[in-house]
Amino acid sequence: QKEVEQDPGPLSVPEGAIVSLNCTYSNSAFQYFMWYRQYSRKGPELLMYTYSSGNKEDGRFTAQVDKSSKYISLFIRDSQPSDSATYLCAMKGAGGGNKLTFGTGTQLKVEL
Amino acid sequence: DTAVSQTPKYLVTQMGNDKSIKCEQNLGHDTMYWYKQDSKKFLKIMFSYNNKELIINETVPNRFSPKSPDKAHLNLHINSLELGDSAVYFCASSPLGALETQYFGPGTRLLVL
Repeated sequence: QKEVEQDPGPLSVPEGAIVSLNCTYSNSAFQYFMWYRQYSRKGPELLMYTYSSGNKEDGRFTAQVDKSSKYISLFIRDSQPSDSATYLCAMKGAGGGNKLTFGTGTQLKVEL
Repeated sequence: DTAVSQTPKYLVTQMGNDKSIKCEQNLGHDTMYWYKQDSKKFLKIMFSYNNKELIINETVPNRFSPKSPDKAHLNLHINSLELGDSAVYFCASSPLGALETQYFGPGTRLLVL
């Protein structure tokens, strides 16, 4: 079993929909949780990161962490065709743990 | 004003050849990384350097050798290329200890024939 699991998709939604992207993990030592967006043939781009549990909002994006369930989510409101990309979650432990563990990414398609 | 740049973007070569990929960052970061992304989009850390010092060396064959001439550059040299080395290689950088804010380069697509 992988440390971080993510449904690969593709997930297709109509423009304007609310999108929910999720990751589950098994390592309870993870404390930092990141979401990256990767367009086709580009490098991953950091969208948001959160520390420990709770919510964090940035524009149309909301990141949510539920450590008790080992489950994190990224919500995208009013989705746009430009949101079409692969979304990768990543995690690391506290205390300056020196590497990120990535999920395999969910491919999102927002259709007109 | 590119933050993290890599050259070349594409690399097509024969098995057994030796090749290098270069990475430069102009963000003033102290830590740089090399990742490998396979065809299923799985991104795995290969190496990490803090101020030219190697701090992570994952289970990577000895044919892969990183070199950091200064903290703004991290190059990757690959000897005796194999078919299984075909992948996209990403360089990234972050402030010291701030892995949660890594910035990635555009990637180098390596195809070994």
